[in-house]
Amino acid sequence: AQSVAQPEDQVNVAEGNPLTVKCTYSVSGNPYLFWYVQYPNRGLQFLLKYITGDNLVKGSYGFEAEFNKSQTSFHLKKPSALVSDSALYFCAVRDIDFGNEKLTFGTGTRLTIIP
Amino acid sequence: EPEVTQTPSHQVTQMGQEVILRCVPISNHLYFYWYRQILGQKVEFLVSFYNNEISEKSEIFDDQFSVERPDGSNFTLKIRSTKLEDSAMYFCASSEGRGGAETQYFGPGTRLLVL
Repeated sequence: AQSVAQPEDQVNVAEGNPLTVKCTYSVSGNPYLFWYVQYPNRGLQFLLKYITGDNLVKGSYGFEAEFNKSQTSFHLKKPSALVSDSALYFCAVRDIDFGNEKLTFGTGTRLTIIP
Repeated sequence: EPEVTQTPSHQVTQMGQEVILRCVPISNHLYFYWYRQILGQKVEFLVSFYNNEISEKSEIFDDQFSVERPDGSNFTLKIRSTKLEDSAMYFCASSEGRGGAETQYFGPGTRLLVL
């Protein structure tokens, strides 16, 4: 079975400060990991993914995420937050070894950037 | 940039009625998916579809649900006899390939309200 936990429902960050949105995962095999963002009245937009190789993955809009196998984490980060980053962020996992097609999502973290 | 589109954006129906949700995947994509998000809950996988066949489905996807690719561009989700608990946001997604590393691109969703 595969699962994702996003321990924080809400994260508030001042504009210009670094931000982190946390994600931990559980899979039986090896993971593919994804981050999506949802703006109001919009669908899920793909931000970045970890497949293999370098543990630091860079994605859209200046976001990056660090894969940590020992801590089973895939935290989303950005060095300097913008007000426009305010949105709902979802972490998702797919278990490589079981050939699953489905993505399993976390419950989401609402990020608010305070001007 | 190519996008997944969905119609309608909102639909209200009476319990017991049939609804059809429509999606136009990205044109060169071959794999199609439906997910749903009940208000305040996780995004959940319903079904994946390739080559005119269901390739994977969740326990949510019971006999009341069906999917179809009626022509070369549309992908539909039908709920035969809607229940109150079917009220949710339904997301269509598509991917170019099937492998676990493939990114699924999501549409903006259809908000279904069953009264």
